[in-house]
Amino acid sequence: SQTIHQWPATLVQPVGSPLSLECTVEGTSNPNLYWYRQAAGRGLQLLFYSVGIGQISSEVPQNLSASRPQDRQFILSSKKLLLSDSGFYLCAWSVGRTARAQYFGPGTRLTVT
Amino acid sequence: RKEVEQDPGPFNVPEGATVAFNCTYSNSASQSFFWYRQDCRKEPKLLMSVYSSGNEDGRFTAQLNRASQYISLLIRDSKLSDSATYLCVVIPTGGNYGGSQGNLIFGKGTKLSVKP
Repeated sequence: SQTIHQWPATLVQPVGSPLSLECTVEGTSNPNLYWYRQAAGRGLQLLFYSVGIGQISSEVPQNLSASRPQDRQFILSSKKLLLSDSGFYLCAWSVGRTARAQYFGPGTRLTVT
Repeated sequence: RKEVEQDPGPFNVPEGATVAFNCTYSNSASQSFFWYRQDCRKEPKLLMSVYSSGNEDGRFTAQLNRASQYISLLIRDSKLSDSATYLCVVIPTGGNYGGSQGNLIFGKGTKLSVKP
C-alpha cells in the first residue's frame, strides 16, 4: 500500500531564516505530488504541483519554491521566511493523468517568529 | 462567488442524530467531487467520492445536484468520533493535467461537534 511521509512534524523558525520541508511517497511510481498550505482558520491553498521529476508548477506567487529531485521526493524551500509563511504545510499525492482524489501526508506545522 | 462554499458551522448535534451538510460550487463544468474529513490539527482524509447517482458508505450518504450545483453529505446515527471538520472538494474539469486543470478546489469546511 502507499504511504506518504513528511518531516519535520513541527518547526519554529525565525523570520529571515531558510526553510526545507521534505515529502516522500512509498508504494507507487510516478505519482503527482502537491504542496498545500493551510493558514489558521483558512482553507487549503495549493502552492505547487508536479507531474514528474523536475516538473514544477506554481499556483501562487510567493517566496517559496519547490523541487522534485527524485520520482517520489518533493521538497518545499524558502531562502528567507516571512511571518506570513506560518501555517500547516501538507504534501499530497495522486496517480494518473486524469483528475482524481489526492492523499495527504501528516503535515508540518510551521511557526515563523 | 467563491469557487466552493460551505457553511462553516459549527453544527452541534447529540449522539444518534442525523446531520446534513451542503456545499455549492461555481464552475458548472466541474466533473469530480469528494468529501474529506479533517480532525483538529491533522491532515485531511478522503471520506468518500460523490457520484452523479448518489452513493452511500455505511452511515454516510453523498449526493450531487448538478442543476443546482451543490453536493451534500448526510450522516446518520452520529457518533462522538464523527466530530471533525468536513471539507467539500471539487475538481473543476475532468480533463488531463495542464495548467491548473485537475487540481482540487477545497471548501473551507464545516465543523461538526457530536455531543454525548
